Amino acid sequence: KAGVTQTPRYLIKTRGQQVTLSCSPISGHRSVSWYQQTPGQGLQFLFEYFSETQRNKGNFPGRFSGRQFSNSRSEMNVSTLELGDSALYLCATGLAVNTGELFFGEGSRLTVL
Amino acid sequence: AQTVTQSQPEMSVQEAETVTLSCTYDTSENNYYLFWYKQPPSRQMILVIRQEAYKQQNATENRFSVNFQKAAKSFSLKISDSQLGDTAMYFCAFMKHPGNQFYFGTGTSLTVIP
Repeated sequence: KAGVTQTPRYLIKTRGQQVTLSCSPISGHRSVSWYQQTPGQGLQFLFEYFSETQRNKGNFPGRFSGRQFSNSRSEMNVSTLELGDSALYLCATGLAVNTGELFFGEGSRLTVL
Repeated sequence: AQTVTQSQPEMSVQEAETVTLSCTYDTSENNYYLFWYKQPPSRQMILVIRQEAYKQQNATENRFSVNFQKAAKSFSLKISDSQLGDTAMYFCAFMKHPGNQFYFGTGTSLTVIP
C-alpha cells in the first residue's frame, strides 16, 4: 500500500512569509504527527492529530499550527517565518493507539532566507 | 518530561564487524516503549527495533539486538555483521504507553567502511 506522502519536498521562503506543508497518511492511519528535524537537535515533536483533533502539542510557538481533515490528511502551517525555522519537517502516521511503529514520510525541507 | 540522550554523534565500523550505539533516557513513567529508528541518507526513517519496557527479554531482529537495562535507563543497539547498507543516522526514541508522542535523541551517524 502507498506510504506516507509529504508535499512539497523542497521549498525556499524568505523571512516573514508563511508556509503550508501537507501530509497524506497511509490508508487506515488516523494519527498524524509532525516533527521538526535539525542538525544537532534531532527530532522535535510539534503536534499530533487524531480524528481532526489535536491530541498532543510540543513546545513550539503559536506560529506553528496544524489541522487534520476528515480523510486524515494533515497540514501544518508556519507563519512569520524566521531563519531558525529552516529544517526538515517530517510527518509520521500510525494507528489510533500506537504500540509500535511510526511510519514516516520523506519530509519537506524548508529553507528560510 | 522525558529526555533521550545519544552521546555518540558519529561512529564508524568496518564491514562485517560489530558496533554498539548507546542511548540513555530519563523518565518517571513505568509503562513505555523504546525504539531505534534508522534514517539512511536522503531516505525516509524506518523502524529498526522495538522494546516494551515490561519485557525483560531483549528484543532482536536479525542482525540487530538491544541491551535494555531498565534500572539504569539504558537502551543500546548492537549491529552484528555490519553491512554497507547500515550506513545511516540512527535515532533512539521513547514513547509513553498509551500515547502517541515520541521523544527522540539527537542521533548517531554510523558509517560502515568497506
